[in-house]
Amino acid sequence: QVQLQESGPGLVKPSETLSLTCTVSGGSISNSIYYWGWIRQSPGKGLEWIGSIYFSGNTIYSPSLKSRVTISVDTSKNQFSLSLSSVTAADTAVYYCARPRNSTAWPAPNWFDAWGQGVLVTVSS
Amino acid sequence: DIQMTQSPSFVSASVGDRLTITCRASQDISTWLAWYQQKPGKAPKLLIYAASSLQSGVPSRFSGSGSGTHFTLTISSLQPEDFATYYCQQASSFLLTFGGGTRVDIK
Repeated sequence: QVQLQESGPGLVKPSETLSLTCTVSGGSISNSIYYWGWIRQSPGKGLEWIGSIYFSGNTIYSPSLKSRVTISVDTSKNQFSLSLSSVTAADTAVYYCARPRNSTAWPAPNWFDAWGQGVLVTVSS
Repeated sequence: DIQMTQSPSFVSASVGDRLTITCRASQDISTWLAWYQQKPGKAPKLLIYAASSLQSGVPSRFSGSGSGTHFTLTISSLQPEDFATYYCQQASSFLLTFGGGTRVDIK
């Protein structure tokens, strides 16, 4: 049973860079069928996909965040990470990492059945 | 981007009611659609994928249908644990998008 766990600072100052890591256990991030994802949810709001990464480092980003987002992967640590630059209060949210449901297709369709518990990041001075 | 529009955004219902939530895509997504349930303070839970396939462990009172641009999630008989917020999500494009959510409250 794969498990995902987000970690990182819970408070970031405006204009600075938000950095989070997702540690995967119970499965290899190098599994070649998955694009591993980051999703966020502002307080009281809906879900917003931020971007996804393949173990080779290939990335896909939301157009609305693309200019500020970098997602990277460290296969040796079984982790993938999110950086969001120039943050404002609008970036205050719970950030989730997630893995798509297993599939015989390649890549696995991006509907997520494994999620981290989420980490609240507040942007405030 | 493919826009996903859910309706209603809020519904008040009773235990035992049959409930249907609608999700519309701004363009044809075939059956590349998933439904999630989210309870306060928790991560979303996958209920339905490929528009109508029930995720393992999800009760059979949940069902999904539709293709193209129009999709529905139906709960045949609401149970107390079903009061939550539901989201649709398209996976037709690598640029994933979610619907705005439907909150289901107890009447």
